[in-house]
Amino acid sequence: GNSVTQMEGPVTLSEEAFLTINCTYTATGYPSLFWYVQYPGEGLQLLLKATKADDKGSNKGFEATYRKETTSFHLEKGSVQVSDSAVYFCALKGYSSASKIIFGSGTRLSIRP
Amino acid sequence: DGGITQSPKYLFRKEGQNVTLSCEQNLNHDAMYWYRQDPGQGLRLIYYSQIVNDFQKGDIAEGYSVSREKKESFPLTVTSAQKNPTAFYLCASSSGTGNENIQYFGAGTRLSVL
Repeated sequence: GNSVTQMEGPVTLSEEAFLTINCTYTATGYPSLFWYVQYPGEGLQLLLKATKADDKGSNKGFEATYRKETTSFHLEKGSVQVSDSAVYFCALKGYSSASKIIFGSGTRLSIRP
Repeated sequence: DGGITQSPKYLFRKEGQNVTLSCEQNLNHDAMYWYRQDPGQGLRLIYYSQIVNDFQKGDIAEGYSVSREKKESFPLTVTSAQKNPTAFYLCASSSGTGNENIQYFGAGTRLSVL
């Protein structure tokens, strides 16, 4: 079945550091891939998405490229801010309209001023 | 504003009691979902509904029940059969079509046992 594996946290960085959160997936066919973010005490919000190989999703300075050859969708940001502290979830949806979204276990990111 | 409203924000359950969590959306979405989130863990799907008057069990449906009598509403009941109900519960909705199927989430309900 479909699955998502993401980097375990917590990840702690200093402000303005470079961020990478790894995500790899297993799926048949051509799934859509997502990164969601959860700020403390809130629900999840879509951060970015990519629906086909080599697509790059981007939002708020974050980027992720859909790499079919390595089955990866790593999240990157060039210079993190304290306000980026949150839990980040990688997710996958299979091609079939009946497929459910599969979420990774989440990676907690803390940014030090 | 369009969105998903969950209530209450905090809920306490006594032993042997059933409690109901509310989820309302005004996004005109066909599909709605309930997830459970435990500390430091990802989301686990409890129930989902792709259309009014129809719903399916997710991965951890035991001890929970739902109804979908109206398109905009998908309440979750945590029954006394759920022996470990303390968790953060998230409701989501989506247009339910295509492989993009972006889910929009409510702010969650935190359930604790007294």
